[in-house]
Parts: sequence; structure tokens; C-alpha cells
Amino acid sequence: DVVMTQTPVSLPVSLGGQASISCRSSQSLVHSNGNTYLHWYLQKPGQSPQLLIYRVSNRFSGVPDRFSGSGSGTDFTLKISRVEPEDLGDYYCLQSTHFPLTFGSGTKLEIK
Amino acid sequence: QVKLLQSGAALVKPGASVKMSCKASGYTFTDYWVSWVKQSHGKSLEWIGEIYPNSGATNFNEKFKGKATLTVDKSTSTAYMELSRLTSEDSAIYYCTRSLDAWGQGASVTVSS
Repeated sequence: DVVMTQTPVSLPVSLGGQASISCRSSQSLVHSNGNTYLHWYLQKPGQSPQLLIYRVSNRFSGVPDRFSGSGSGTDFTLKISRVEPEDLGDYYCLQSTHFPLTFGSGTKLEIK
Repeated sequence: QVKLLQSGAALVKPGASVKMSCKASGYTFTDYWVSWVKQSHGKSLEWIGEIYPNSGATNFNEKFKGKATLTVDKSTSTAYMELSRLTSEDSAIYYCTRSLDAWGQGASVTVSS
């Protein structure tokens, strides 16, 4: 199975500040069709995960442009600028290039 | 809008089975895969498997083969997951998702005697 290593585990940030989360995969996430299926989710307390970014850098419908994704191959980053209170929660990366699909272990974004 | 409405919490005895539902609305049910995801208390997410409602085709995480059975009822746009031979390790919240972009509210399963 592809192992998704997510860092840091916990990320204290100041409101209005910037946050960066890393996700590294144990093998390349480039599919044979040329696409890279790496996605980012936010799970707010007591809620279901919600899709933020799909295929590395595409913002899902309704996601503010404060969220951006980048990376390639095995190394990916989610950046959040101008952090707002509604951004707090657990962030997960997910790869769907290889079966079985696998998630990162999560990063808790909290107020400093 | 897209909605996935899951069945309620279940308390089941060890060794028993549980079947949960996921009713879809707001989109064409047969056009999208339905995935199921497990979240154990305070832990990360595990992909269990997926089903394509139009054909009934499935893909599974090997870890959940023999544990989870996925079915659909196209007439009611409802997906089902049955978990068998339950143990305490199966106590978790289970989510259904539409191709991993829209998620149900989750269904809690507690396995206890």
C-alpha cells in the first residue's frame, strides 16, 4: 500500500497568518494516464471531511482562494494564507492513484 | 444540491452483523462511484471500498475483504454497506462518499456486549 506521510502532526498558527502542510507518498502518484490523484480534505470538529483541493492544485467548488495546493511525484504541499477561525480542524491528504486508496495521518491546525 | 443521508447510530453485539444505508439525492446516482471510509475514534481515515451503482462493480481494500459487503438499490438511490463478524476493532464512524467529493454525515457503529 502507498504510505502517505503527513507533517506536521500539529500546527499552531495565528489568525491572519500562513500555514503549510506537507504530504509525502512512498511511491509516485503519477497515474499511467498522466494525472496525479492527490487531494486535500479538512475535517472540522464534529463534521465530515470536506474536499478542499483535488488533483494536487484544483480548488473544489466554493473553496476560497486562500487555499492552494502544489507539488508533484511524491511531494505535495497545502498552503493556507490569512488563516481564519473557520479553517481550524484536521487536514488530510488522500491519494487515489493506486489501490487501495490511502490517507495521510492528519494535521491538526490550531490557534497559537 | 448533492446530499448523502446515512442511517443512524448502531449498537451491536460482538459476532453480529450490521447493515447501514446511504441515500443519495441531488445528482444522478448511477453516474458516480460510492466509496465507504472508516474513521476509528480519534484516528485517521481508511478507505474500505467502492461500488459503481450503474453496474454493481466493486473495488475493495484487501483489509476489508470478507468484512464489508457493498450493494446498491438503484430504484431508491441508496447504497448499503454490511459489516460482518463484528469485533471491537470495528467500532468507528463510517462515511459514505460520492466519488470522495461529497460526504455523508457519518454513521457510528459501537460493538459491545
